[in-house]
Amino acid sequence: DVKVTQSSRYLVKRTGEKVFLECVQDMDHENMFWYRQDPGLGLRLIYFSYDVKMKEKGDIPEGYSVSREKKERFSLILESASTNQTSMYLCASSLVDYGYTFGSGTRLTVV
Amino acid sequence: KNEVEQSPQNLTAQEGEFITINCSYSVGISALHWLQQHPGGGIVSLFMLSSGKKKHGRLIATINIQEKHSSLHITASHPRDSAVYICAVRFSGYGNKLVFGAGTILRVKS
Repeated sequence: DVKVTQSSRYLVKRTGEKVFLECVQDMDHENMFWYRQDPGLGLRLIYFSYDVKMKEKGDIPEGYSVSREKKERFSLILESASTNQTSMYLCASSLVDYGYTFGSGTRLTVV
Repeated sequence: KNEVEQSPQNLTAQEGEFITINCSYSVGISALHWLQQHPGGGIVSLFMLSSGKKKHGRLIATINIQEKHSSLHITASHPRDSAVYICAVRFSGYGNKLVFGAGTILRVKS
């Protein structure tokens, strides 16, 4: 089975801190995605990557950046965390035309 | 505009009942996914379909491309089916990105 592992299950950070969320997949998938999930808004795409060093903005990229230096790892970076970035963050990976595999999520609280 | 609508938003059922969750989308698609999320948990992919019908255990997913509509059915529901069910669509010409419905919160009572 494909595994997508997110480094932290729960995270509490202070306003203004730089925050790194890590995601690793073990099945050589080209595509990787970062979503945030908020009550009433569902899942929204922040950034995605279809290959090493390639990235594209999703629907809500403001305040975030990403890094994909190796195929298996896709990092989400909050340059200066703010309270409105408190959310559940989900990473996913996929092969083209195949299903998606999601990580178990990181619940980030910015205080 | 690429939109996905799910109904109902909330559903409470008695154990053993047959359950249907609906998903409608706005324009042509290349694939539709049904996902399941348990409280506090990650998301599990249940089905990916682009036509017809798929079945896995007590779960059945159907799609009608002409009507731009999909349904997820659960037969003989059980309390462990309680979860959020999410419809997600890969629209034609939108690459490999998914657009998600808001989810249906299902609670099955024993």
